[in-house]
Amino acid sequence: VLTQSPLSQPVTLGQSASISCRSSRSLVHSDGNTYLSWLKQRPGQSPRRLIYQVSKRDSGVPDRFSGSGSGTDFTLQISGVEADDVAVYYCVQGVGWPYTFGQGTKLEIK
Amino acid sequence: VHLVESGGVVVQPGGSLRLSCAASGFRFGDYNMHWVRQPPGKGLEGVSIIRNDGGLTGYADSVKGRFTISRDNSKNSLYLLMNSLRSEDTAFYYCAKDSPNGSIDHWGQGTLVTVSS
Repeated sequence: VLTQSPLSQPVTLGQSASISCRSSRSLVHSDGNTYLSWLKQRPGQSPRRLIYQVSKRDSGVPDRFSGSGSGTDFTLQISGVEADDVAVYYCVQGVGWPYTFGQGTKLEIK
Repeated sequence: VHLVESGGVVVQPGGSLRLSCAASGFRFGDYNMHWVRQPPGKGLEGVSIIRNDGGLTGYADSVKGRFTISRDNSKNSLYLLMNSLRSEDTAFYYCAKDSPNGSIDHWGQGTLVTVSS
C-alpha cells in the first residue's frame, strides 16, 4: 500500500511544494534497484511520468521537479511552483504485480 | 509511442465486455503491458499486467477471477476481457506501456466503461 500526504497541497506561486509517499513494504527490487516513480495528471488528460527510479527525471521535465528517498519513504519536491504545475500527482510502485498507486495529491494555487 | 484503447460502452451489471488497445511506435513484443483504471473523479488503480511474451499475468484482487488480460504480438494488440461486471467497475480504462526500469512510461487516452442498468 502506498500512502501519500498531504492529499491536497495549496501553494503560492513561486513557493515550494513537497509530497510524501510511504510504502508498506520496501520498494527495493531483487535486482538492487528501487522502483518508485511519480506521475502528473492534469484534469481531462492521461497521466504522464515525471520521475522514475526515485530520482531520475524524464526528458523535458524541468529540474524544478526532484525526487528523493529510499526503501519505504519517498518525496517529490517542486520548487518555484508555476501555474502549469496545477495537477494531481501520484506515486506508483513497480516492484509488485500489478503496480499500485498512491491516492494522489492535488496541487492547487492559493 | 501511440496507444489507442477501444471498446468502452455502457453495459448492464453482470454483463461482459472486451477492451482492445492498438499499439504502435515501438517493438510491442519487447515490453510488458498494463491496464490501469480510474473511476471518474477518483484515483488510479492498477488492474492487470502481462509479460511481454504473454506467459505471465497479474491481477488486482478486485478483478481476479473476473477479468482476463491477453495480447497478440503479431497484431501489436492488448486486450482485457471483463466478465461479471459490477457498478464499481465503472471507470476510464487506460492501456499503458511498461519500461525496463519498473515504471509506466506511456499511456493511452483511455476508454470509458460504464456499468449501469
